[in-house]
Amino acid sequence: KQEVTQIPAALSVPEGENLVLNCSFTDSAIYNLQWFRQDPGKGLTSLLLIQSSQREQTSGRLNASLDKSSGRSTLYIAASQPGDSATYLCAVPDSGGYQKVTFGIGTKLQVIP
Amino acid sequence: DVKVTQSSRYLVKRTGEKVFLECVQDMDHENMFWYRQDPGLGLRLIYFSYDVKMKEKGDIPEGYSVSREKKERFSLILESASTNQTSMYLCASRDLPTYEQYFGPGTRLTVT
Repeated sequence: KQEVTQIPAALSVPEGENLVLNCSFTDSAIYNLQWFRQDPGKGLTSLLLIQSSQREQTSGRLNASLDKSSGRSTLYIAASQPGDSATYLCAVPDSGGYQKVTFGIGTKLQVIP
Repeated sequence: DVKVTQSSRYLVKRTGEKVFLECVQDMDHENMFWYRQDPGLGLRLIYFSYDVKMKEKGDIPEGYSVSREKKERFSLILESASTNQTSMYLCASRDLPTYEQYFGPGTRLTVT
């Protein structure tokens, strides 16, 4: 069964800093990996989707990389802003069957002005 | 833009009541999901519908059932609400072939 781990569980940084969030998964036979953002009390907003054939994806100040062989993905946030404060989750579809999705518990990010 | 909507943002129900949570998506997606999210436990899959004809139990289906009479609508039913079902409920739909998931805003359910 796929297991997804996110480290650290919480992170506090000053505004303007570049930062990296980590996601690791146990079964490398993945179809894709998706990063989400969740604001308190809200649903999840999709940030980036990396297909298994890709190494990275970029959207604005966000860059996500994928290394299937080592079971890792990183989300890089450049020049962090207070508005980036949220919980960031990664999610991976299971490799077999109907491809149900396993989520990490998330990294709670606080960007201090 | 994909839109997933949920019938209520906040809901308060009494123990033993039958509760309906509705989810509608407007992008003709085949796959739809119901999750619950609790502090420290993350998102846990309750039920999954691959298409209108197929519903699959997730990791925690006990005390829940689902209905999918139309492709765009996926309903979660709490047959007899209990206090341990107090949670945030999240609906999602999934695009094929990219397998990208899209979430609704969530329903915060409190059972008293």
